[in-house]
Amino acid sequence: EAQVTQNPRYLITVTGKKLTVTCSQNMNHEYMSWYRQDPGLGLRQIYYSMNVEVTDKGDVPEGYKVSRKEKRNFPLILESPSPNQTSLYFCASSPRDTYNEQFFGPGTRLTVL
Amino acid sequence: EDQVTQSPEALRLQEGESSSLNCSYTVSGLRGLFWYRQDPGKGPEFLFTLYSAGEEKEKERLKATLTKKESFLHITAPKPEDSATYLCAVQAWGSQGNLIFGKGTKLSVKP
Repeated sequence: EAQVTQNPRYLITVTGKKLTVTCSQNMNHEYMSWYRQDPGLGLRQIYYSMNVEVTDKGDVPEGYKVSRKEKRNFPLILESPSPNQTSLYFCASSPRDTYNEQFFGPGTRLTVL
Repeated sequence: EDQVTQSPEALRLQEGESSSLNCSYTVSGLRGLFWYRQDPGKGPEFLFTLYSAGEEKEKERLKATLTKKESFLHITAPKPEDSATYLCAVQAWGSQGNLIFGKGTKLSVKP
């Protein structure tokens, strides 16, 4: 089944404790992206990657890191999480030629205490 | 600054009552405008891409249109299963893979 998977789906952590949210897709897509979704603010892009070893900042990159060493994986790293990073996070992927027609993962709900 | 504004924030319809959702945008040069549907607790699902003013796309009871300043998502004779949040996004020329989303319109269709 073609899909984007995220792990974990739910995470409660404390301020300053480094964490990684994994994202994997099995569709051989070149493009991958991370978003956060907050009530009243909508969906905002954090980082995106057009292909392996190519990443770029979205609208809200502060406090986040990403890497794209393999085509299928695009982990999101929070090196020192803070409470304002409490949010619902989505990973998405798409083929290069139609990279706006994105397939979204199920989401990761992160709470930072 | 590129931005997307969707209205209304929420819309309640009776089954069969047609209506439209609006997405107005300000972008330096529109490369594309996209509509997504999001069900509660799930990731958004792609619906349509529109590239130029005058373009229209249809899928079942949904029809998306585009002008130079806004897009409309027309819902004809909606059913309860059309209840969802509808998101609009734009991409500007030169922005590579950067998409800017609106805050969405939450649609409820009552039987």
